[in-house]
Amino acid sequence: NAGVMQNPRHLVRRRGQEARLRCSPMKGHSHVYWYRQLPEEGLKFMVYLQKENIIDESGMPKERFSAEFPKEGPSILRIQQVVRGDSAAYFCASSPNFSGNTIYFGEGSWLTVV
Amino acid sequence: AQKVTQAQTEISVVEKEDVTLDCVYETRDTTYYLFWYKQPPSGELVFLIRRNSFDEQNEISGRYSWNFQKSTSSFNFTITASQVVDSAVYFCALSEGGETSGSRLTFGEGTQLTVNP
Repeated sequence: NAGVMQNPRHLVRRRGQEARLRCSPMKGHSHVYWYRQLPEEGLKFMVYLQKENIIDESGMPKERFSAEFPKEGPSILRIQQVVRGDSAAYFCASSPNFSGNTIYFGEGSWLTVV
Repeated sequence: AQKVTQAQTEISVVEKEDVTLDCVYETRDTTYYLFWYKQPPSGELVFLIRRNSFDEQNEISGRYSWNFQKSTSSFNFTITASQVVDSAVYFCALSEGGETSGSRLTFGEGTQLTVNP
């Protein structure tokens, strides 16, 4: 998991606030993935992005969640009007530009909604 | 649709015992990739191994070994002479590749391994 940088590591938000999680992929990686791990559960795919494009967002909740990976800068996972059920660990991962590669994970961002 | 099943939710062993973590997968693709990741108590995800569907050779890395059997759609992971530091949640995962899925992973639910001194 060397090189995938996520911040913040821990984030506390009150219900109704916005949460922004950032991810810088490994050098040379142009594919970014976001996964969510709810308490005591496995990891679930949320969204797959390449630079300036959302390739697959089939795992994203329909409302309040959005993701982007701009031409410059990190990928951002944005959660608007957070609710207690959004409390989870959010992992970002990156891979090089073809399928089947190993994807490397960041250390995760733990969101707590109070 | 792909699916990964880790039937063992929790395993508890005593140090120095060998332990095998089971993983069964489902996919309709002929080309796919299998992974194991370790999640220690600190929470990060540590990559352990990647195996493609055309390579059924078993692999050994130190105390770790993996047994890939396409006939039973299984990719089991064995830790020999377990140590307390092996205590973690272990995830098996599957990637089918393809343009719209990239290296997207489908994870099993994980197996919590506890190694007691």
